[in-house]
Amino acid sequence: DIQMTQSPSSLSASVGDRVTITCRASQSISSYLNWYQQKPGKAPKLLIYAASSLQSGVPSRFSGSGSGTDFTLTISSLQPEDFATYYCQQSYSTHMYTFGQGTELEIK
Amino acid sequence: EVQLVQSGAEVKKPGESLKISCKGSGYSFATYWIGWVRQMPGKGLEWMGIIYPGDSDTRYSPSFQGQVTISADKSISTAYLHWSSLKASDTAMYYCARRSSSGWSEADYWGQGTLVTVSS
Repeated sequence: DIQMTQSPSSLSASVGDRVTITCRASQSISSYLNWYQQKPGKAPKLLIYAASSLQSGVPSRFSGSGSGTDFTLTISSLQPEDFATYYCQQSYSTHMYTFGQGTELEIK
Repeated sequence: EVQLVQSGAEVKKPGESLKISCKGSGYSFATYWIGWVRQMPGKGLEWMGIIYPGDSDTRYSPSFQGQVTISADKSISTAYLHWSSLKASDTAMYYCARRSSSGWSEADYWGQGTLVTVSS
């Protein structure tokens, strides 16, 4: 199984801050890396796919980068609605798409 | 508009069986893989398995193999997740999600979730 490790597990930040979340895969996954946002009581929402492609309708303050084993999600200027939990997911291993453990982004 | 609509919350006793559903609309249901994701209370997302409704080709994550059954009926655009004998540890929110056709296998649309509570 491919293991996905996110850091940090939680993060406190203020509106307007630039925030970066890291995801590491246990083996190379090329660019098969996706990022999701989940708010309390809601289903996850796709933000980024293929490591750096912005899903339609997602604000441009969200960006992704990386390839191989190391990836980042960056929010350039935090907005109040961005406080949520973020998950990375690998989709390299055919049909076995594991998630990272999540990063909870809280208001400072 | 693509939509995945899941069945409502369930409260069951240990040992009982259960089947929850996920109905797709607004796209060709038979030609997109549908996955199931578990989220235990206060925990993260876990990939359970995936089915191709067109031919019912099904794959399970090793952690869920033998624990649940995934099925689909393409004639009514519905996927299912079934337990033959529930345990308290099956208490969780369950989501269905559509695998996109982009070639990168991201889950681009999600159901609203079905809360399953198993308690004696």
